[in-house]
Amino acid sequence: QSVLTQPPSVSAAPGQKVTISCSGSSSNIGNNYVSWYQQLPGTAPKLLIYDNDKRPSGIPDRFSGSKSGTSATLGITGLQTGDDADYYCVIWDNSLSVWVFGGGTKLTVL
Amino acid sequence: QVQLQESGPGLLKPSETLSLTCTVSGDSVSSATYFWSWIRQPPGKGLEWIAYIHYIGTTNYNSSLKSRVTISLDTSKNQFSLKLTSVIAADTAVYYCARSAFYSYFLDVWGKGTTVTVSS
Repeated sequence: QSVLTQPPSVSAAPGQKVTISCSGSSSNIGNNYVSWYQQLPGTAPKLLIYDNDKRPSGIPDRFSGSKSGTSATLGITGLQTGDDADYYCVIWDNSLSVWVFGGGTKLTVL
Repeated sequence: QVQLQESGPGLLKPSETLSLTCTVSGDSVSSATYFWSWIRQPPGKGLEWIAYIHYIGTTNYNSSLKSRVTISLDTSKNQFSLKLTSVIAADTAVYYCARSAFYSYFLDVWGKGTTVTVSS
């Protein structure tokens, strides 16, 4: 059981928007930057969002991140079948010097 | 372009020691800029961070695995390694290596992963 709580699954139709939440506490999300990773079936995780809301080069602006208090949210607009994947929120816990992973959310694009 | 490539035994028996290596290309494990991590993913489950190491010798471990894990660097081969002793079936997973910068809070480069199965 991770200290970062994500819904096990979400689903939406192509073209629609979906949000994935990551809930924590003041000691983890509240005090640290959140990053998000996309894991397509059978592949390694890929960085989607860093520092709560920044996108690496090459990540489309359909993907967005935000953080408020002890929760973070990944948003995906204009859903495509290729977005079918698992999504993980992650923090670097600065006080413990450890990486903390959320349990992951499986996105199904119907 | 930085690339990480994991290598390992594939199959082990319970109680054996798992040894994995991550070979880094396009960057140097001796760089003061980066930390190097191991992360694993049991079949059908989520990601679990195992350990990290920095060139100057700084290491840290997941508390749940600390008694069985050692991470190390081989600068001559530009590799870093993981040893996990007394493996059990629950150690069956895909093992990934990854990079992060000391001034950042994200894992920016990942290897493709190597599958390890523990079975008698």
